[in-house]
Amino acid sequence: QVQLVQSGAEVKKSGSSVKVSCKVSGGTLSSNGFSWVRQAPGQGLEWVGGIIPVIGMTKYAQRFQGRVSITADEATSTAYMELSSLRSEDTAVYYCASSSSGYYYYYLDVWGKGTSVTVSS
Amino acid sequence: QSVLTQPPSVSAAPGQRVTISCSGSNSDIGNNYVAWYQHFPGTAPKLLIYDNEKRPSGIPDRFSASKSGTSATLAITGVQTGDEADYYCGTWDGSLSVVFGGGTKLTVL
Repeated sequence: QVQLVQSGAEVKKSGSSVKVSCKVSGGTLSSNGFSWVRQAPGQGLEWVGGIIPVIGMTKYAQRFQGRVSITADEATSTAYMELSSLRSEDTAVYYCASSSSGYYYYYLDVWGKGTSVTVSS
Repeated sequence: QSVLTQPPSVSAAPGQRVTISCSGSNSDIGNNYVAWYQHFPGTAPKLLIYDNEKRPSGIPDRFSASKSGTSATLAITGVQTGDEADYYCGTWDGSLSVVFGGGTKLTVL
């Protein structure tokens, strides 16, 4: 069974960037699609973007266009999400989730435990 | 403002049946599969239903779902106190962007 291990909590200053990692164990990166989903305090789930590593396709939510970059490294079986120009509204728990269908937009059947990102001024 | 519309909360007594609705449009639910997720605060969300009505291995048959047109429904029969959580529907739109409902908090009375 695939497991996703995310990097630890981050505290960042407004205007800086954060890069969160998601290491795949028990499976291969290329056989899965990956989405990044966040949950701000008191809010629901919000999709940030996704990647299909085997074809190098990425897709980002409109509101994050230009500020987010999602990549995947087959050599280390790790997916990454980098968010720049951070503002206080980006304070949230960021989840990495994979789809065994291979498509990031299809059902997300394995989730990481989440990475807390706190943005302070 | 979420693309998919869910009731903010529902409640049920233990043993009862409860349903959670998810309303969308032809751009999302109307043309794509729906998934449902269970989320206990502070933990990772869990896939409950995929392909509108299929249950992953290990999900009890107390959880069922259906889709009709641009709406989907999750049903939980024999509600238990351990089912008290937030439930989200999700699908994708024509641009292959994932969309979620705003989430429904289930309270077991």
